Amino acid sequence: GAGVSQSPSNKVTEKGKDVELRCDPISGHTALYWYRQSLGQGLEFLIYFQGNSAPDKSGLPSDRFSAERTGGSVSTLTIQRTQQEDSAVYLCASSLGITGKGAYEQYFGPGTRLTVT
Amino acid sequence: KQEVTQIPAALSVPEGENLVLNCSFTDSAIYNLQWFRQDPGKGLTSLLLIQSSQREQTSGRLNASLDKSSGRSTLYIAASQPGDSATYLCAVDLRGGTSYGKLTFGQGTILTVHP
Repeated sequence: GAGVSQSPSNKVTEKGKDVELRCDPISGHTALYWYRQSLGQGLEFLIYFQGNSAPDKSGLPSDRFSAERTGGSVSTLTIQRTQQEDSAVYLCASSLGITGKGAYEQYFGPGTRLTVT
Repeated sequence: KQEVTQIPAALSVPEGENLVLNCSFTDSAIYNLQWFRQDPGKGLTSLLLIQSSQREQTSGRLNASLDKSSGRSTLYIAASQPGDSATYLCAVDLRGGTSYGKLTFGQGTILTVHP
């Protein structure tokens, strides 16, 4: 079946512009996670959703970052007034749930490479 | 705060060698530990997941062990092949409270297997 998909695969934007990154999880997966991978910081957690609810937003770097999920499926990560330090690969993952069988394994998408000039 | 360290940062070996990648973590109260593989420009592929109550997991030529009390895990790759060349990442899942599924990653080991 289809895996986690993300779009766009690459995004180049000017400093100060807003960007939206999209994630389509595996069908039936109720948990969705966003991570960021940058050269200096490695791979870091941003936010996760259980259904449409985001219980843990602790990893969002600043109030310029927000995320939403609708219909328990597609999620959008929005970065407002982008800065050069936002340049990174943004990875999305999904899992069956957060508890119970099959909950533990996260399946990752290919990522969106964001470059802020 | 959980910190995950991977050693070595990079490793280059000839084809056919057996090798060990190391991962250590500071908080032993983990729920599980996962090893991932990342190919250039690609996402992460889960290789092995070890629950906190388990000592090891095996899949083909891969064997991962977990010593929770000492905060260590190793990934053993037998009879390495050029196709094994990738970055290997270790991640721990603390769970509990609102931290469900929040993975903390190491910096990775870049493996090159040359023919």
